[in-house]
Amino acid sequence: ETGVTQSPTHLIKTRGQQVTLRCSSQSGHNTVSWYQQALGQGPQFIFQYYREEENGRGNFPPRFSGLQFPNYSSELNVNALELDDSALYLCASRGGVGSTDTQYFGPGTRLTVL
Amino acid sequence: EDKVVQSPLSLVVHEGDTVTLNCSYEVTNFRSLLWYKQEKKAPTFLFMLTSSGIEKKSGRLSSILDKKELSSILNITATQTGDSAIYLCAVGGATSYGKLTFGQGTILTVHP
Repeated sequence: ETGVTQSPTHLIKTRGQQVTLRCSSQSGHNTVSWYQQALGQGPQFIFQYYREEENGRGNFPPRFSGLQFPNYSSELNVNALELDDSALYLCASRGGVGSTDTQYFGPGTRLTVL
Repeated sequence: EDKVVQSPLSLVVHEGDTVTLNCSYEVTNFRSLLWYKQEKKAPTFLFMLTSSGIEKKSGRLSSILDKKELSSILNITATQTGDSAIYLCAVGGATSYGKLTFGQGTILTVHP
């Protein structure tokens, strides 16, 4: 069974730039969620994708957007980067609507915005 | 708005000690409470507690859900240095389409 993978591991960008982070879900999982974890804080829910559509969103502005592909992998895009976007971005997958709430996390992408 | 508060924020113990971590929550239409262990990056799943499963145990770790008090505890007995990590508590609501709301975590440090 393949676990959740994310790329890249680390990324450094400057304010105003755009970034794309990638996630492959655990095999058999069709739902992907993205979380932002600032230093010293717990993860905060950004949004969830199921069947290639966003079906839940946290308190994040529209410059945070995403995609899910037919193979259930996903991308998180952040436009017009701000210094406060510096964080660990975690992707999590689960079995889909109707499955348990247990989400399995990838190793994350550490984003630094200068 | 859903809310999760963990205590203490940090804890330092010696190997062999027993620790109890606390989690209290407010969530609309509670469905589940989950505990995760985060060592470097990826939170790893420990337990999920629901109305139909309020106690879980795995080895030296155990957890109890108190739905009346809207809280949960995570116990670790005979701690080892490998237990050093951040322990995260999260709750899911029945109407929140898979969103988990996390607490800020408890940093546990176990000294030899």
